Amino acid sequence: KAGVTQTPRYLIKTRGQQVTLSCSPISGHRSVSWYQQTPGQGLQFLFEYFSETQRNKGNFPGRFSGRQFSNSRSEMNVSTLELGDSALYLCASSLSGTSGRASSNEQFFGPGTRLTVL
Amino acid sequence: QQQVKQSPQSLIVQKGGISIINCAYENTAFDYFPWYQQFPGKGPALLIAIRPDVSEKKEGRFTISFNKSAKQFSLHIMDSQPGDSATYFCAARDRETSGSRLTFGEGTQLTVNP
Repeated sequence: KAGVTQTPRYLIKTRGQQVTLSCSPISGHRSVSWYQQTPGQGLQFLFEYFSETQRNKGNFPGRFSGRQFSNSRSEMNVSTLELGDSALYLCASSLSGTSGRASSNEQFFGPGTRLTVL
Repeated sequence: QQQVKQSPQSLIVQKGGISIINCAYENTAFDYFPWYQQFPGKGPALLIAIRPDVSEKKEGRFTISFNKSAKQFSLHIMDSQPGDSATYFCAARDRETSGSRLTFGEGTQLTVNP
């Protein structure tokens, strides 16, 4: 079974631009979560989508947004980029993420998209 | 109370030794505790996970010990190998927050010397 894929793997943008990152979950997984990883803040939750609906949102400004398509693929968008947005953006997928069966909670991460804002 | 506190920040172990990484939490609504391993340039990989109704779980050389009353859990890596050198993250999921959201510890950089 193919793992979580993310595109592109690397991006360089300048301040003020916007960027769209893409994530394809493991086949059959309906939940997609996005995380930001930086050396200073570690792994921070951005948001989660399940069945095309945002189910959870972290403490990030409105410049960060996302969506999920009917095939469970997800995109996240960052508008008006700031220098501090430079980070590794990780996507993770799981079956459903709800309590109950342990397997539904297991989240599998993609390799990430390294975003550099100049 | 969403924090998960992880220690140590870095750890150096000799080949064949035992690596121990500890995590503590305050939120009693956490109901799922995974550990992830991350190599440079890669995404975190799920290693092993435990639920609070179990005190210990072992998978190969990796063991999670869970102390519900102390709100602490730890990862033990037996017979540590140089290939285990990576950053390890503990995490927790809040059952009162629907979905998959994980709260991560700060990470531990493990170095296993040959």
